[in-house]
Amino acid sequence: DGGITQSPKYLFRKEGQNVTLSCEQNLNHDAMYWYRQDPGQGLRLIYYSQIVNDFQKGDIAEGYSVSREKKESFPLTVTSAQKNPTAFYLCASSGTGGRYSNQPQHFGDGTRLSIL
Amino acid sequence: DAKTTQPNSMESNEEEPVHLPCNHSTISGTDYIHWYRQLPSQGPEYVIHGLTSNVNNRMASLAIAEDRKSSTLILHRATLRDAAVYYCIPLIIQGAQKLVFGQGTRLTINP
Repeated sequence: DGGITQSPKYLFRKEGQNVTLSCEQNLNHDAMYWYRQDPGQGLRLIYYSQIVNDFQKGDIAEGYSVSREKKESFPLTVTSAQKNPTAFYLCASSGTGGRYSNQPQHFGDGTRLSIL
Repeated sequence: DAKTTQPNSMESNEEEPVHLPCNHSTISGTDYIHWYRQLPSQGPEYVIHGLTSNVNNRMASLAIAEDRKSSTLILHRATLRDAAVYYCIPLIIQGAQKLVFGQGTRLTINP
């Protein structure tokens, strides 16, 4: 079945280490997104990409980096510069452009990152 | 960005209809209203969207006020699996989509 796969589901890292979260989609979507969710809060946009080799900062990009070398993949690196990285991270994808610009976003099941 | 106002929580009984309200008085004329829901420890799930007229799909109905300043998500016959946080989101197209998630409404379904 088509969908978004995020791995791992739970991730633990020591403070000061960089960590990379994986996101893969087989929906043939051009656009991909990374969100962060803190307990009891809504989602906040970290980065998004409309096309391969292009990405834009969202509302809370500081301390994060991304790459988009393949259409199917949009990994997120949480760097040591991120002051409070413990959170639930969600990846999404959607069709984009023209008549697809209003298409819904499809979300993965998230990665819960904890910094020890 | 358009602001939305939703009740923090609502409660209903199984097999009864549920009406989830949302105020979005600052929405622009071209922003669609999207609804998503999120079950505990899962990613959000798309429910429905609309622009000006009422919309129906297999999950729910969306009633949009004539002045577009409010909308109501209608679950016709709630089940226990409908217990989730429901988000009403004006979809902003700025190059790419920008979904701005607020606090949402936590819906509890009583058996």
